[in-house]
Amino acid sequence: EAGVTQFPSHSVIEKGQTVTLRCDPISGHDNLYWYRRVMGKEIKFLLHFVKESKQDESGMPNNRFLAERTGGTYSTLKVQPAELEDSGVYFCASSQAKASFYNEQFFGPGTRLTVL
Amino acid sequence: KNEVEQSPQNLTAQEGEFITINCSYSVGISALHWLQQHPGGGIVSLFMLSSGKKKHGRLIATINIQEKHSSLHITASHPRDSAVYICAVLIQGAQKLVFGQGTRLTINP
Repeated sequence: EAGVTQFPSHSVIEKGQTVTLRCDPISGHDNLYWYRRVMGKEIKFLLHFVKESKQDESGMPNNRFLAERTGGTYSTLKVQPAELEDSGVYFCASSQAKASFYNEQFFGPGTRLTVL
Repeated sequence: KNEVEQSPQNLTAQEGEFITINCSYSVGISALHWLQQHPGGGIVSLFMLSSGKKKHGRLIATINIQEKHSSLHITASHPRDSAVYICAVLIQGAQKLVFGQGTRLTINP
């Protein structure tokens, strides 16, 4: 079974440009999460989708970030316009929606974003 | 102060040594993850704990809910264990993980 995949693996853009990151969760996983690690800091939560609905977007830093999950399958995270402080590694994770208190999250390899 | 604190931040040891990485948290949790990230690699889940102790090969994870503390142990460490080990907790009533800063482990041959 394929794991969580992310595209691209690396992206280098200039300040002010737009970048779109993509995450394909494990097939059948209704929960999809975006996380980010900026240099020297811990990984932080950005948002959580259940199918196509945003369950929790409390971690989104500002309105330059837009996440979508049309059709409840893959998700995109767009940064527009990108700023220097957006540089970091963006991780996606997915989990099943079983009726238990917690379903283990499986992580993708991450997208390293560098804003110059 | 971060809600999840790991220690040490960096650890260098010789092959064969017994390794302990600690994680303390200050919030109510539903579960705790130990994760591993090799240089240039993705994040792999090692353990998910809500109580007691789990063992997988040379790795052992324990959690003490009352003391809000977890440890990850590696027995007979090997250079391939060199990686960043990350503790992450699931906040009670939420589905999002809160992460520690990670412990960079280097095992020298």
